[in-house]
Amino acid sequence: EDKVVQSPLSLVVHEGDTVTLNCSYEVTNFRSLLWYKQEKKAPTFLFMLTSSGIEKKSGRLSSILDKKELFSILNITATQTGDSAVYLCAVVGGTSYGKLTFGQGTILTVHP
Amino acid sequence: EAGVTQFPSHSVIEKGQTVTLRCDPISGHDNLYWYRRVMGKEIKFLLHFVKESKQDESGMPNNRFLAERTGGTYSTLKVQPAELEDSGVYFCASSQLPGAGTGELFFGEGSRLTVL
Repeated sequence: EDKVVQSPLSLVVHEGDTVTLNCSYEVTNFRSLLWYKQEKKAPTFLFMLTSSGIEKKSGRLSSILDKKELFSILNITATQTGDSAVYLCAVVGGTSYGKLTFGQGTILTVHP
Repeated sequence: EAGVTQFPSHSVIEKGQTVTLRCDPISGHDNLYWYRRVMGKEIKFLLHFVKESKQDESGMPNNRFLAERTGGTYSTLKVQPAELEDSGVYFCASSQLPGAGTGELFFGEGSRLTVL
């Protein structure tokens, strides 16, 4: 059975800090790894990673995948209070394109 | 463009009753998914529709759950009879291309179900 483990489960920082969120996975026939941000209700898409070593970047957020060691990290630099959210990691594997396996999420709280 | 909409946002029912959750995907999205998050657990896949056909229903927990997508537009998820362990947040998502391989999976805000 596919499995995704995120760490830490929660994190409290102050504005301006840099944070690194971790995601390790076990999946049969890996297709992609995705990061989502869930602020209040609906998870919103951040990144999709399919190849090792290629950094995806969007503003202060970046992410990279290591398919050999089976993990990904999500970095947020110069954090702001608006970054407070649950960050979800999910993998797609097997033969079903529609089936995401999620981790439990990391709750990030950014204090002013 | 309207996003994925779900109704109701919150439903409180008693054990043994029936509840029907509805999802309206983004217009033109052939792929529709149901996921569920129970308290303290990760979000888990329930099933995937392509138009009106069930592509993958491997995550449906038991036969008390019935999902339909007549006409390939909106979808309903019925729980009958509801049990305490069915409490959680039910998310619907849709995508235009075949699934999460593209990353473009758009989620609704979820329907919170509380079974007393």
